[in-house]
Amino acid sequence: DTGVSQNPRHKITKRGQNVTFRCDPISEHNRLYWYRQTLGQGPEFLTYFQNEAQLEKSRLLSDRFSAERPKGSFSTLEIQRTEQGDSAMYLCASSSTGANNEKLFFGSGTQLSVL
Amino acid sequence: AQSVTQLGSHVSVSEGALVLLRCNYSSSVPPYLFWYVQYPNQGLQLLLKYTSAATLVKGINGFEAEFKKSETSFHLTKPSAHMSDAAEYFCAVTPGGTGGFKTIFGAGTRLFVKA
Repeated sequence: DTGVSQNPRHKITKRGQNVTFRCDPISEHNRLYWYRQTLGQGPEFLTYFQNEAQLEKSRLLSDRFSAERPKGSFSTLEIQRTEQGDSAMYLCASSSTGANNEKLFFGSGTQLSVL
Repeated sequence: AQSVTQLGSHVSVSEGALVLLRCNYSSSVPPYLFWYVQYPNQGLQLLLKYTSAATLVKGINGFEAEFKKSETSFHLTKPSAHMSDAAEYFCAVTPGGTGGFKTIFGAGTRLFVKA
């Protein structure tokens, strides 16, 4: 169990640029989640996958955001035409479908700063 | 729909004093309830969870929480605070099972421990 890995740890970009983040979940976990956290707030749900299927997407997620999990392993989150309001910590979590399946294992996150 | 309200964004206690962090939930189905802890510059980690077994749940580091359906509460307590408990604590709810696996987090309570 090597834990959930997220890359990069930090990303600074200019407004209007596209950014992509990667998440590698715990290998035997088939559920993967993306959350966004801003200062002083709890994690806000963005989307989740079971294997390669994206099962739910937050209504708060604009069309500029897209997530993929092509082979049911790692996932990418892309933000197109970034805005200053996108600045946040983007968290990835994974869970299993077996016993203890409701427990989320979080990565350390990717801190996005949009200038 | 599920939601979580954490009462108090900041709580300050003296070392050795009782810790009480309050959480109230709303859920349309019997919920799974969680407390997660986030230490500075680290990812969230599970402290304890309630999944419809015993209403008093014991977690790591001496924390425990009691599920009270009549009060829709899941408050977190620890009899004696330690300096190392200083962190941000998040209450969370998920419907689980056929209700899905989207976990909703509260806004968090930052715990300060004074020497």
